[in-house]
Amino acid sequence: NAGVTQTPKFQVLKTGQSMTLQCAQDMNHNSMYWYRQDPGMGLRLIYYSASEGTTDKGEVPNGYNVSRLNKREFSLRLESAAPSQTSVYFCASSEGLEKNIQYFGAGTRLSVL
Amino acid sequence: DQQVKQNSPSLSVQEGRISILNCDYTNSMFDYFLWYKKYPAEGPTFLISISSIKDKNEDGRFTVFLNKSAKHLSLHIVPSQPGDSAVYFCAATYSGGYQKVTFGTGTKLQVIP
Repeated sequence: NAGVTQTPKFQVLKTGQSMTLQCAQDMNHNSMYWYRQDPGMGLRLIYYSASEGTTDKGEVPNGYNVSRLNKREFSLRLESAAPSQTSVYFCASSEGLEKNIQYFGAGTRLSVL
Repeated sequence: DQQVKQNSPSLSVQEGRISILNCDYTNSMFDYFLWYKKYPAEGPTFLISISSIKDKNEDGRFTVFLNKSAKHLSLHIVPSQPGDSAVYFCAATYSGGYQKVTFGTGTKLQVIP
């Protein structure tokens, strides 16, 4: 069972470069999420997609864009990377029902120099 | 504004003893609470949850207690095992806004053999 798959696992960028983090889930979940984890900050929601065709901002959306490509895939784009975006990024999915138990990918560790 | 707080960054417990992880919240709208467990280089995995209509939920060695008047919940692990060594995140959400899950900063549990 693949669950939630994130690519790449590691990435180093220079300030100003752009990149897209990919996420795919095979659980037929309706909702998908992008979080970032920073030391002492826990997990913070960047964007989420409640269902295919919709996206909404989370707690820390500035500097990011997302695309819900289809029901399986939800990508996160950094248009012009900044050192403040150095973090570990997690994608998650859920059925989208109440109680909202989320299933997470293994994460992408991003460094912006 | 940290709406979900885990004030203990770390905790060490002897194998076989009880581990108690604490979590406080400030938002009265929260009515569903979850605990996630995270190993290094992996994504968080769901552990146990509790609805605000209950004050206790048990699943094997794991029990979560909710004190609504104090806006406090705790996770008890009995008996603690070395494999329980991980970071534990408390999370909260609410009806009508269940897509936005707010996470605490995490407590790193070390179970000493």
